[in-house]
Amino acid sequence: EIVLTQSPGTLSLSPGERATLSCRASQSVSSTYFAWYQQKPGQAPRLLIYGASSRATGIPDRFSGSGSGTDFTLTISRLEPEDFAVYYCQQYGSSPFTFGPGTKVDIK
Amino acid sequence: EVQLLESGGGLVQPGGSLTLSCAASGFTFSDFPMNWVRQAPGKGLEWVSAISSSAGTTYYADSAKGRFTISRDNSKNTLYLQMNTLRAEDTAVYLCATGLQIDYYFYYAMDVWGQGTTVTVS
Repeated sequence: EIVLTQSPGTLSLSPGERATLSCRASQSVSSTYFAWYQQKPGQAPRLLIYGASSRATGIPDRFSGSGSGTDFTLTISRLEPEDFAVYYCQQYGSSPFTFGPGTKVDIK
Repeated sequence: EVQLLESGGGLVQPGGSLTLSCAASGFTFSDFPMNWVRQAPGKGLEWVSAISSSAGTTYYADSAKGRFTISRDNSKNTLYLQMNTLRAEDTAVYLCATGLQIDYYFYYAMDVWGQGTTVTVS
């Protein structure tokens, strides 16, 4: 099983700041099969990034993904008020299709 | 509009069984792989199971293996999760999600999500 570890657990930032979220895999993951999701309280998750760096439909370009192998990054270039949420990474190339524990981005 | 509507959740005693359903509309259900994901109260997302578009291949988390069965009826545009021998730790909101289509290819990333159905084992 591929274990995903996200850091930091919580990121406290102000609107307009840059957010950098990390996800590390216990073994190499093909970039093709790596995703990021956003979840707000009381809502279902939303796919942000697939294939490590491709934005899903309707996702603003302030969200970007990068990385390969065991280290992946989600960057939010300038935080908008609606971006404060929990973010999960996931690999879907090797069953079980594991999620990371999440990074909470909250308002400083 | 693509929609997924889960149902079948409820309160069940430990050791009991429950079958969840996910009714799909607004897309060609039979083309897409499908997933079940759960979220325990106050916790993160846990992938539970996935099934290929034809139902020929299924995948399970270790926590679900041997107790849960994923299936689908493409004629009814419905995904199922049969859950047996339920435990307190299975208490969660269960969400279904479509796979992701990129050009002519389909992936198990989760593109469209339902709102979930709550399972309480107590």
